[in-house]
Amino acid sequence: DQQVKQNSPSLSVQEGRISILNCDYTNSMFDYFLWYKKYPAEGPTFLISISSIKDKNEDGRFTVFLNKSAKHLSLHIVPSQPGDSAVYFCAAKSGGSYIPTFGRGTSLIVHP
Amino acid sequence: DGGITQSPKYLFRKEGQNVTLSCEQNLNHDAMYWYRQDPGQGLRLIYYSQIVNDFQKGDIAEGYSVSREKKESFPLTVTSAQKNPTAFYLCASSKLTTVPNTEAFFGQGTRLTVV
Repeated sequence: DQQVKQNSPSLSVQEGRISILNCDYTNSMFDYFLWYKKYPAEGPTFLISISSIKDKNEDGRFTVFLNKSAKHLSLHIVPSQPGDSAVYFCAAKSGGSYIPTFGRGTSLIVHP
Repeated sequence: DGGITQSPKYLFRKEGQNVTLSCEQNLNHDAMYWYRQDPGQGLRLIYYSQIVNDFQKGDIAEGYSVSREKKESFPLTVTSAQKNPTAFYLCASSKLTTVPNTEAFFGQGTRLTVV
């Protein structure tokens, strides 16, 4: 059973607009959430994270929002750029564990 | 520069053969992992290790074996018992800590194809 779910396999956005990637989780023990970006034939790279004690974390064009009551987080990219086109993985960790659990990923395509 | 190096980048295997994928890190990380990526499946954990000479099975360990003889190295062997080995394999490492704000670092991956 998937504990981290990314229900949208793909997302297409126009350059300059906002991209919103969603992630849901079922394990209430998760207390740290991460987003990774992955280009084809490369390893994922860490993008941004958020602790469960916060509801928002911002880093440049990237903002992650966490809604603990809904067990939902989202990654906002504003403005979107063609170089943002990649697969984005949501991951979560629970207290006492160092191993992240990954979602299936969402493929973002940003059109010029 | 510190990082994780996976080799080879592309690997072809005949059916019935065992192959070993290399993973080396110079980040001084205690924890190392192997993931497998298939289209639409995300990253699934094969094996992980938190200390030399010790490792644990992940979610899909059948048909795979690992060793951890050195802190820096965590090779993965895909055995002939793995029925569907064609996939993209990713090695990662991280600090061994329960402090939440630590992320895993990934290698560039190895694309294994059975021919």
